[in-house]
Amino acid sequence: GAGVSQSPSNKVTEKGKDVELRCDPISGHTALYWYRQSLGQGLEFLIYFQGNSAPDKSGLPSDRFSAERTGGSVSTLTIQRTQQEDSAVYLCASSGLQGRNSPLHFGNGTRLTVT
Amino acid sequence: AQTVTQSQPEMSVQEAETVTLSCTYDTSENNYYLFWYKQPPSRQMILVIRQEAYKQQNATENRFSVNFQKAAKSFSLKISDSQLGDTAMYFCAFMKGGGADGLTFGKGTHLIIQP
Repeated sequence: GAGVSQSPSNKVTEKGKDVELRCDPISGHTALYWYRQSLGQGLEFLIYFQGNSAPDKSGLPSDRFSAERTGGSVSTLTIQRTQQEDSAVYLCASSGLQGRNSPLHFGNGTRLTVT
Repeated sequence: AQTVTQSQPEMSVQEAETVTLSCTYDTSENNYYLFWYKQPPSRQMILVIRQEAYKQQNATENRFSVNFQKAAKSFSLKISDSQLGDTAMYFCAFMKGGGADGLTFGKGTHLIIQP
């Protein structure tokens, strides 16, 4: 079946603009995660959804970042008033069961460049 | 909080050789899972192998195997008969039982397989 789908694949935006990144998880997966990968760095956890609720938002770097998930499926990550330090690859992952025997399946990410 | 350390930023070996990538972690949890992910230039994170902390037997997947030393909090990845297609970034990752915090990643090791 289809894997995790992210769009757009690449996004270039001007500093100060808002951007919206989309993640379409594997059908039936209840858990959804957003990560940020900056150049030369590992992956930084941003937020986790179980169904539509986000029990852990502690990873969001500032109040310019927000995320929502509707219908237990598609999620959007919104960055308001983008800054150059927001430039990174944003990866989404989903899994079928909380932890346990279900690994995370990742999308190909969105490369965001803020000029 | 958990931490994952990969002390080798880059490694290079000849095709067909065996290579071992190091990973150590720090946690006070007793129930957790460990993973190795591969990230080729396509950006997609691909699960290579996973290990449940409660299992003493080391996980193996074809040419990939791990050396899991729970007391030492060490989780190294061995790639046997390396192939050109193994060239990628390799990330070691930790997940608490339950999965609510998602994965905590190391900074990665860039593995280069030379022809």
